[in-house]
Amino acid sequence: KAGVTQTPRYLIKTRGQQVTLSCSPISGHRSVSWYQQTPGQGLQFLFEYFSETQRNKGNFPGRFSGRQFSNSRSEMNVSTLELGDSALYLCASSLASGRKLYGYTFGSGTRLTVV
Amino acid sequence: DQQVKQNSPSLSVQEGRISILNCDYTNSMFDYFLWYKKYPAEGPTFLISISSIKDKNEDGRFTVFLNKSAKHLSLHIVPSQPGDSAVYFCAAGSGADGLTFGKGTHLIIQP
Repeated sequence: KAGVTQTPRYLIKTRGQQVTLSCSPISGHRSVSWYQQTPGQGLQFLFEYFSETQRNKGNFPGRFSGRQFSNSRSEMNVSTLELGDSALYLCASSLASGRKLYGYTFGSGTRLTVV
Repeated sequence: DQQVKQNSPSLSVQEGRISILNCDYTNSMFDYFLWYKKYPAEGPTFLISISSIKDKNEDGRFTVFLNKSAKHLSLHIVPSQPGDSAVYFCAAGSGADGLTFGKGTHLIIQP
């Protein structure tokens, strides 16, 4: 079965612009989580959506937002881009919300570069 | 403040030997722990997990040990194979919160 699909794979944006990233989870998975990976901070949790509702949020400014659609696809938006937003953005899906003892399935990520 | 720490940025091990990757955590609320493996240009892949009620979990060549009193966990890979060369992330979770990841250890398996 198809894995987690993230589009686009690569993106270059200018400081001050906004960007929208997309994630299609594994079929049947209703939980989608977003993570930011940078060399200095590692993988950091952004937020989780389940059944179109945000369930959890990490420690990121309000410029970072997301949403989930009825088909479980999710989008992440970053407004007023800053140079420090350059990172690999990873989406992960799982069957349910709650404890992730069986892990997530991650997509390959979207590499965002802000210039 | 880093709640999950992987103090070795890299580790080199000979093929066939045991690889031991370490991870320390500070938050006593974490109640489960996971290891992920990541190749370049791919997302992390789930390897193995352990609940805080256990002290060991084994899956094939991979074993995770948890020492709650020391707030320390380790991943043992035996025997190490060339395909094990990757970056390994330790992660911890509490209830329904998002996972907290360490910064990773780059494991290099030498022939």
